[in-house]
Amino acid sequence: AQSVTQPDIHITVSEGASLELRCNYSYGATPYLFWYVQSPGQGLQLLLKYFSGDTLVQGIKGFEAEFKRSQSSFNLRKPSVHWSDAAEYFCAVGVTGGGNKLTFGTGTQLKVEL
Amino acid sequence: NAGVTQTPKFRILKIGQSMTLQCTQDMNHNYMYWYRQDPGMGLKLIYYSVGAGITDKGEVPNGYNVSRSTTEDFPLRLELAAPSQTSVYFCASSQRGSNAEAFFGQGTRLTVV
Repeated sequence: AQSVTQPDIHITVSEGASLELRCNYSYGATPYLFWYVQSPGQGLQLLLKYFSGDTLVQGIKGFEAEFKRSQSSFNLRKPSVHWSDAAEYFCAVGVTGGGNKLTFGTGTQLKVEL
Repeated sequence: NAGVTQTPKFRILKIGQSMTLQCTQDMNHNYMYWYRQDPGMGLKLIYYSVGAGITDKGEVPNGYNVSRSTTEDFPLRLELAAPSQTSVYFCASSQRGSNAEAFFGQGTRLTVV
């Protein structure tokens, strides 16, 4: 069965600093990988996704992620964090076939210090 | 564009009561899902549907039921509510295709006392 690990429960960065959120997955086939963001009291919004091709994926709000098959990782990065980026971030792996079911990691809570 | 709409936003239930969480989407998506979110646990799939009349269990289906009579609606039924069902529930929908984006509703916060 597939699984996703987000090893960092909480991360605090200063506004303007760079950010990297870690995600490791376990899946037997080529994975479909997603990063979602959840602002307080809101639903989840897709930041970016990977399913094939270029391993560096660009998303919304200046985020990018790099798929590294050898490390089973899909880390999320942003060069310069803004205070509005404070939120919870979820990495997910999609199961091929059978309804596009997503398996989520436990999330990383990002705090941005001004 | 409304997207995925969930009602109610908040609800308090007593142990043993039942209720239905409503979910409707206006994007003509075939696939719909119910997830629950508990602190520190991420989101867990309860049930999903790949089209009207077709539903299947996810990872944590016990204590819940669903139906899908139309493409737009995917209600989640809780029978005999228990404290363990205190959670935030999210409905989502997507098109076919394994790389399709899932669109989420704003959630229903349910407390069982």
